[in-house]
Formats: sequence, structure tokens, C-alpha cells
Amino acid sequence: SQQGEEDPQALSIQEGENATMNCSYKTSINNLQWYRQNSGRGLVHLILIRSNEREKHSGRLRVTLDTSKKSSSLLITASRAADTASYFCATDANDYKLSFGAGTTVTVRA
Amino acid sequence: DGGITQSPKYLFRKEGQNVTLSCEQNLNHDAMYWYRQDPGQGLRLIYYSQIVNDFQKGDIAEGYSVSREKKESFPLTVTSAQKNPTAFYLCASSEGGETQYFGPGTRLLVL
Repeated sequence: SQQGEEDPQALSIQEGENATMNCSYKTSINNLQWYRQNSGRGLVHLILIRSNEREKHSGRLRVTLDTSKKSSSLLITASRAADTASYFCATDANDYKLSFGAGTTVTVRA
Repeated sequence: DGGITQSPKYLFRKEGQNVTLSCEQNLNHDAMYWYRQDPGQGLRLIYYSQIVNDFQKGDIAEGYSVSREKKESFPLTVTSAQKNPTAFYLCASSEGGETQYFGPGTRLLVL
């Protein structure tokens, strides 16, 4: 079952702008992960944030987690054309499985 | 060069035919997974295996079968019972059940 839901479904921004996408989930989690998928390719892991963490950074990526609201956000700063992709959140309920949302499609315009 | 390989990249299935998708990893991971992705959608779990010779059904196992005879291999068979097999199939592996590493995918089309 798909636990995570990303918002918005699609996002179009100018190169250099920031992109923010949100993920909401329904049940308790062990950690939440963000993945990127370029068109027609496999997914690439971006960042993992554990349930006892509130914020995490990796390069131009910033992830927040609010377990009281069961939500997370992914911020990509100073976007580049190469950031054009679909972004998925995935929740880990500590049962060896991940539940993926439907994704946010990001288009970065030159 | 460590990673996950999937073959073939494209696969065509005729009516009533079983087809097998290959997934191999050299990351020495215990866990392996098969997902199905339909256009504009997220990933749905078909089967997963936490260890050799053991596997469990995911959310959409009907019409699919798997085996896990070797740690590095987790082939998926799409049987004739799967009436709507056209999709993008992704294999992944993980150690400790957290971060998953994905293969490049196989696109299955019906003739």
C-alpha cells in the first residue's frame, strides 16, 4: 500500500530557484527516505531521516521531518537543469519494506 | 564495480506466455525487492526476500512468482495469470532493510 503522498504532483521552476515538495504519511515510521528518478531510469537514494531527527542536510538538499504532523519536506536549493526528475518519499515502518508515494515531478527551466 | 543489474532492458510478452526478468547484485546485500511502476505512479511492492531461500508477497503478488536460490540473484517471473503486465519493473537490494539500491529497470510490453 502507498503510505506516502507527495505534494505537489508537479513543479516547474526557473534554474537557480529553490524547489520544495512535501510528503505526508499515515502510520508510525522508523525513518523516511527521499529518492530521485530520472525519466526511464531506476531510483537513486538521496537522503534518510530517522524518526528522532527533525532536519538533515546533504549538499543542496534539506529535509525536515515532523512526526507529530506525519509530514516531511524536501528542499532543493539553487536548482539546476540536472535536478529535473521525479522525487519520491518512502517510509520505513521497520518491517523491511518501504512504502512509496506517487512522486513529485520537478522540471527546471533554463 | 558494485551495483545491481537488470536484464533485459525491454521485454515483449505474447498472450499466455510466462516471461522471466533477471536481477543480479554484487553488493552482498541480504534483502532484495521487486517493484512495479505504472506511468505517473509510485512503486508498488510485488515480492521481497530478506534472506536466501525465503521470500514474502508484497502488495500486488498475484500473477507473479520469484525464487531466491542464491544471495546475488532474485529473478521475477510474470505468469500468464497477470492480465495487465505492461509496466516498468524495478529490482532493489538493501542491507539492514533501510536504504535501497535500485537497478536500471526492465520495461515489459505486451505484443
